[in-house]
Order: sequence, then C-alpha cells, then structure tokens
Amino acid sequence: GENVEQHPSTLSVQEGDSAVIKCTYSDSASNYFPWYKQELGKRPQLIIDIRSNVGEKKDQRIAVTLNKTAKHFSLHITETQPEDSAVYFCAASKVTGGGNKLTFGTGTQLKVEL
Amino acid sequence: DAGVIQSPRHEVTEMGQEVTLRCKPISGHNSLFWYRQTMMRGLELLIYFNNNVPIDDSGMPEDRFSAKMPNASFSTLKIQPSEPRDSAVYFCASSLTGGGNTIYFGEGSWLTVV
Repeated sequence: GENVEQHPSTLSVQEGDSAVIKCTYSDSASNYFPWYKQELGKRPQLIIDIRSNVGEKKDQRIAVTLNKTAKHFSLHITETQPEDSAVYFCAASKVTGGGNKLTFGTGTQLKVEL
Repeated sequence: DAGVIQSPRHEVTEMGQEVTLRCKPISGHNSLFWYRQTMMRGLELLIYFNNNVPIDDSGMPEDRFSAKMPNASFSTLKIQPSEPRDSAVYFCASSLTGGGNTIYFGEGSWLTVV
C-alpha cells in the first residue's frame, strides 16, 4: 500500500517568514495530493490540493509543488501569520472510479512566533 | 449543507462496554470514510465505503471493530467490547467520487475508555 513520509515534524518560524513542509510517497500510481490544516481540537480541513498532471498550484499565500519523478511534494506558506499555527498533514491517493483512499503523513506542527 | 455530522461528540465509557459512533455524510456524497486519530499513530484509515459497499476494511484493527452503512445517509462504527487503547478521536469523512474527490471531515467523536 501507499506510504507517505512527512518532514519536519515540528517547524517554528517568525511571523512574516516562509514555511516549507515536504512529503514523499511510495506508490507511483498515486495521482491526488491534498494538504489539510488541523487546529487544536478541530477537524482536518483541506487547504489546497494538486493532481498529478500539474507541477505547481498557488492560492494566495499557499503553494504546493509536485515532482512525480522523485515522488515528492511540498507545501509552501509565504508571509506567515500567527493564525497559520496548526498541524499540517499531507496525503496521497490513487483516485479511481471506486473511490479515493487517502494515506496521510504524520503531520507537521507549525508554530508562527510574533 | 451542514457538512458531515457525527455523534456523539464526546463519550466516556467503561472498558468492556459497547460503543457506537454515528455519521451522516454530506448529502449526495457517495464515499464515506472512518478515520482514527491518536498522538502515537496519527490519522489512520479504518474503513471506507463507496455507494454503501465496504471497499477496504484493512485498517480495522481487530474483530472488536465493525462498521455498517445501511443507506447513503448513515453509517455506524461499533466497538464491542471497548478497551482503553481504543481511546482516540474518530473522524467520519465523505466525498463525491468524480466530483473533485475532496474529502470533508466531520467534527469527530472524542472517545475515552476508562
């Protein structure tokens, strides 16, 4: 089955700096890579996703890049703000007509310091 | 839409008791997932259904766990008998296969087995 590794496990940045979280996956057939943000005591919420036919996607201060050859993808947050502090999870799946089984990374605790 | 609805939100039960967690997916979604989250093991997929049919239950830890989806708008996850190591947050999630495949999580059921 799919295996997703995520680094770093914790990340502390100063407000206004950039944050980068990296993930690798094992199954070359995976074609969908979402990122979720989970605040303390809350549910994971999708912040951005990318599909295997795209190398990069941006949404305001958030961007995701995908390298299919190397089987890794990254989340980039620019101009970080205190409200970006949360746990971020990457995930990978092979979307088929029968569903979409997400395998999650172990999470990155991001802390944005004033 | 109200999103994925889970109940109960919090449950404290004694070891050996039966626990039933309930989930109502987003209307129109045809895939439903049960995830378990713990500090030690992160987010684990227990089982997922597509069109009410269990597709992959390889994540169900043991025979004490069972899940059903009798119709498109309701699913249960049952633990019988419960053990302290089952203490975790159980998330239900749903998605529309072919409709972007975004997986939306419920608020979670916080289970404590004493």
